[in-house]
Amino acid sequence: GEDVEQSLFLSVREGDSSVINCTYTDSSSTYLYWYKQEPGAGLQLLTYIFSNMDMKQDQRLTVLLNKKDKHLSLRIADTQTGDSAIYFCAESDRINTGKLIFGQGTTLQVKP
Amino acid sequence: SAVISQKPSRDICQRGTSLTIQCQVDSQVTMMFWYRQQPGQSLTLIATANQGSEATYESGFVIDKFPISRPNLTFSTLTVSNMSPEDSSIYLCSVEGTGENIQYFGAGTRLSVL
Repeated sequence: GEDVEQSLFLSVREGDSSVINCTYTDSSSTYLYWYKQEPGAGLQLLTYIFSNMDMKQDQRLTVLLNKKDKHLSLRIADTQTGDSAIYFCAESDRINTGKLIFGQGTTLQVKP
Repeated sequence: SAVISQKPSRDICQRGTSLTIQCQVDSQVTMMFWYRQQPGQSLTLIATANQGSEATYESGFVIDKFPISRPNLTFSTLTVSNMSPEDSSIYLCSVEGTGENIQYFGAGTRLSVL
């Protein structure tokens, strides 16, 4: 079945780059997403990438997609303390249902 | 992006009671979804709320426990029925607009069942 895996925890120093990794199993996934959840808040869409793309950049965020290995990463440049949150990777099978399958979430801790 | 209002934002309920959660969107949307996020866990889709017809439930979720209404293209409700402490979770509404491939989420309802 569909499955999305993420490492659970990442700690970086302020100003460093953060790289959060995700693997997925459904080769029919057409869109892959990164969401951010701050404490006590809902999910905020950060960025997404279509499956026929290798890379997408949006200001401090860079998404890399290796479709052959079913690997997705989110790089945050110049990480700030305000970036501390849980980051969820999600895949969508747009052709059938549009349903999102989420990873377990990676808690990013940014130390000053 | 759509603006989604979810009510209540949090509640503490007694075992055996029911709670209805409301989700209001500021524009007409094609798809509305309800997710559950158990403590320290990821999000799991409960059901897709279909306008004018019965919701489509995911495996492990049933209509008797989680009845859903969707009377129009901007509003939906999820009821958590006959609650037990295991139902303590965050319940989130999400929407997807026509022609979009993006789901936007409400702030969620934090439910504690005693």
